[in-house]
Amino acid sequence: GAGVSQSPSNKVTEKGKDVELRCDPISGHTALYWYRQRLGQGLEFLIYFQGNSAPDKSGLPSDRFSAERTGESVSTLTIQRTQQEDSAVYLCASSTLGYRNQPQHFGDGTRLSIL
Amino acid sequence: GENVEQHPSTLSVQEGDSAVIKCTYSDSASNYFPWYKQELGKRPQLIIDIRSNVGEKKDQRIAVTLNKTAKHFSLHITETQPEDSAVYFCAATGSARQLTFGSGTQLTVLP
Repeated sequence: GAGVSQSPSNKVTEKGKDVELRCDPISGHTALYWYRQRLGQGLEFLIYFQGNSAPDKSGLPSDRFSAERTGESVSTLTIQRTQQEDSAVYLCASSTLGYRNQPQHFGDGTRLSIL
Repeated sequence: GENVEQHPSTLSVQEGDSAVIKCTYSDSASNYFPWYKQELGKRPQLIIDIRSNVGEKKDQRIAVTLNKTAKHFSLHITETQPEDSAVYFCAATGSARQLTFGSGTQLTVLP
């Protein structure tokens, strides 16, 4: 596709439920990143995938958060037993190579609201 | 890990004036410094970036300067227009591959 695609665009769920967020990176981009953006704040790194290498999970805030990616395609971010503090916009980005100086291109994000 | 501080948090300028946003970083290994513009409810969009082998880069009304010795970099917007109003984020790559973002600057250009 032309850009990074995320779905759903909005998700409202009850506390304690599990949610799954999807990211479809730009075709050919080997690196994929997940970030969390709370209202009025900056972006917090969550997890990074580069090809078939082991992902960098150092930003995941708790064991309720997990993510998967098969090869260089779609990624899913799963939040189990959601809490109200999980409410945020979850942004996905991709880049051509997983080096430190390549531009990252963002999707529109998924706005997650926990009731 | 990397720590990025951004100032000011809010900035109001008159249309046509210049705006300057400053960031500092902590990791001397950082070598890539992008700036993103985020309009309300929209995705962050890359507007300019600079690598550590360059001290300044300009693209029309936007310029970025980098001082590696002092570990700070700045965004300069000249001849501001109302459509420049948005939140601007600086970022830096530390020893890891992910970007560490500043906390953002809400720029308002007054007509």
